[in-house]
Amino acid sequence: DTEVTQTPKHLVMGMTNKKSLKCEQHMGHRAMYWYKQKAKKPPELMFVYSYEKLSINESVPSRFSPECPNSSLLNLHLHALQPEDSALYLCASSQLAGVVTGELFFGEGSRLTVL
Amino acid sequence: SQELEQSPQSLIVQEGKNLTINCTSSKTLYGLYWYKQKYGEGLIFLMMLQKGGEEKSHEKITAKLDEKKQQSSLHITASQPSHAGIYLCGAADISNFGNEKLTFGTGTRLTIIP
Repeated sequence: DTEVTQTPKHLVMGMTNKKSLKCEQHMGHRAMYWYKQKAKKPPELMFVYSYEKLSINESVPSRFSPECPNSSLLNLHLHALQPEDSALYLCASSQLAGVVTGELFFGEGSRLTVL
Repeated sequence: SQELEQSPQSLIVQEGKNLTINCTSSKTLYGLYWYKQKYGEGLIFLMMLQKGGEEKSHEKITAKLDEKKQQSSLHITASQPSHAGIYLCGAADISNFGNEKLTFGTGTRLTIIP
């Protein structure tokens, strides 16, 4: 199984809503990532978890709250978002954290629209 | 921080033709990754180059790393419709936490026409 599964594929939410994005991998990878991608822009790193501990937070606003309940699951909790937060949110995993350790496996993404 | 500039920004190529995409770094490259993204979908790893002068091929795609020039190129031979998508180079950068992270280039949008 070499998949990273993200749910939901599409999400529309109001600025006062609370929602969550979910990501799952069963490859035994110990690092998991959240990237944000705006239209026609490259993905930008938001968070990295390594061995279920937060190892990178790229100064992301607190309205985005990551959670790693176990080594296979990664959540992104969303609260009081702004319309400019509308984007494709990509989850990825790798065997270990750190760029030189090899490739990242990406999910198909969750497309978020904030009204 | 690391900046990766890709050229061209977009490319329209007739099926069967060859093409080259370039990735230029603002800093010394210690490794370079190439990924492909179908529109609005996830990224697929193509290859990783770690040494200056290294060249790797997979099917009809060849990538080279020129560390001295802080550049990498991706060459596609006899392009096919399946090659269409967005090509992104990636390289190591330092995060706010002082750890390594992967930073992506500006991207090249490839369209293949019959």
